[in-house]
Amino acid sequence: SQTIHQWPATLVQPVGSPLSLECTVEGTSNPNLYWYRQAAGRGLQLLFYSVGIGQISSEVPQNLSASRPQDRQFILSSKKLLLSDSGFYLCAWSMRDHQPQHFGDGTRLSIL
Amino acid sequence: SQELEQSPQSLIVQEGKNLTINCTSSKTLYGLYWYKQKYGEGLIFLMMLQKGGEEKSHEKITAKLDEKKQQSSLHITASQPSHAGIYLCGADGAGGTSYGKLTFGQGTILTVHP
Repeated sequence: SQTIHQWPATLVQPVGSPLSLECTVEGTSNPNLYWYRQAAGRGLQLLFYSVGIGQISSEVPQNLSASRPQDRQFILSSKKLLLSDSGFYLCAWSMRDHQPQHFGDGTRLSIL
Repeated sequence: SQELEQSPQSLIVQEGKNLTINCTSSKTLYGLYWYKQKYGEGLIFLMMLQKGGEEKSHEKITAKLDEKKQQSSLHITASQPSHAGIYLCGADGAGGTSYGKLTFGQGTILTVHP
């Protein structure tokens, strides 16, 4: 069966520091991959999605970037964190279009 | 762009009571997905609806999609404390290639008192 791993679970970083969040999927190949941010208002905002290695699409302009160096690895990065980058970050995968997305456990990011 | 509105925003019920959560789309839906989230955790997939008039059930949870494919409801029968959490609807609003992108509602916080 397929599983998704996301780490770390929590992270506290100072303003201006770099960021790297990792997400890996097991048990499938060539999945669609997604990064979301969930703010206090509870809604999910799609940040990036990827349909293949090296293929990244950004949904909103921001201080973050994403990369997919391997088929089942998705990384969310920043060179310099802002206070506004705080939030709950979720990684998800789906097998193809019009199929359910399956989510990781999330990373709680706090910027001081 | 497609927008999803959920109602109510929060709901407090006594254990054993039935409840309904609604999700309304500004556009015709291609697919509607229901998720449950415990605070501070990831989303758990519950059900997917794609056909007008479709209804699916899992244990005590039933989800329906109306004939016009613009509104969905999630009904819980005889609620239990284990049903507590945030329920989110997500929509896949476009036919053809959408890259699986979903738009989500703001969520409904459900509290079940024993």
